[in-house]
Amino acid sequence: DAGVIQSPRHEVTEMGQEVTLRCKPISGHNSLFWYRQTMMRGLELLIYFNNNVPIDDSGMPEDRFSAKMPNASFSTLKIQPSEPRDSAVYFCASRDSFTDTQYFGPGTRLTVL
Amino acid sequence: EDKVVQSPLSLVVHEGDTVTLNCSYEVTNFRSLLWYKQEKKAPTFLFMLTSSGIEKKSGRLSSILDKKELFSILNITATQTGDSAIYLCAANAGGTSYGKLTFGQGTILTVHP
Repeated sequence: DAGVIQSPRHEVTEMGQEVTLRCKPISGHNSLFWYRQTMMRGLELLIYFNNNVPIDDSGMPEDRFSAKMPNASFSTLKIQPSEPRDSAVYFCASRDSFTDTQYFGPGTRLTVL
Repeated sequence: EDKVVQSPLSLVVHEGDTVTLNCSYEVTNFRSLLWYKQEKKAPTFLFMLTSSGIEKKSGRLSSILDKKELFSILNITATQTGDSAIYLCAANAGGTSYGKLTFGQGTILTVHP
C-alpha cells in the first residue's frame, strides 16, 4: 500500500495567493483528517470527514480555510487568501476503521511570504 | 473541551539511559490512547491502548494505560540516538466525535551518544 499521499510536499507562496493542498487517503479508509502543526501550537485538528461528509470543522481557523472531499479517494484543503501566519506543516491522515488507528501522510510544508 | 497534556516537554539523555514519558487526558467518551513517534517527517504509529493495566511492548518500547487516573506512560529502555524524536500521545474519542484524536503537545526526546 502506498500510504497516505499528499501534494505538494513543499509550497512557497506570497501573501494573498490561493493555496490548495491535496490528499489521497489509504484505499479502504473511510475517515480523513486534516491537521496543522506549528512549533507554537503543536498538532491541531482542522477538520475531519467520515464517508466523505464533513463531521467537525471547529478547528478551521477562519473563513479563509475550506476543505472538500468529493470522493473517497481525494480531499483538498484550500486557503484563500493566504497569510504569513498560515505557514506550517499540514498533515492529512486517514483512519483504518478496523484497527481504529490513524495513519499520517508525509505533510505539506507551507511557507507564506 | 477535550485536553491531553504531556510531560516533560523536552528531555535530554545519554545512550543507554531509560526514559519515561507521561501523558494525562481529559476526554469525553474516551475510547483509547495512542502513541506516535515523529522524526523529521510525519508521525508514525507506535501503540494503541484501550484497557487499563495491560502493557503493550515493542522491542525497547513499552506503554501502559491507567483509565482510573486518566494517564499513560511510554517507557524506552537502553535508549539509542535513533530514539531522538518527538513523542506524541493522543486520546481517541467516541460519541459524536467518534474517531477524533486530541493530541498532546509532544515530548521532545534527545539522546546523545
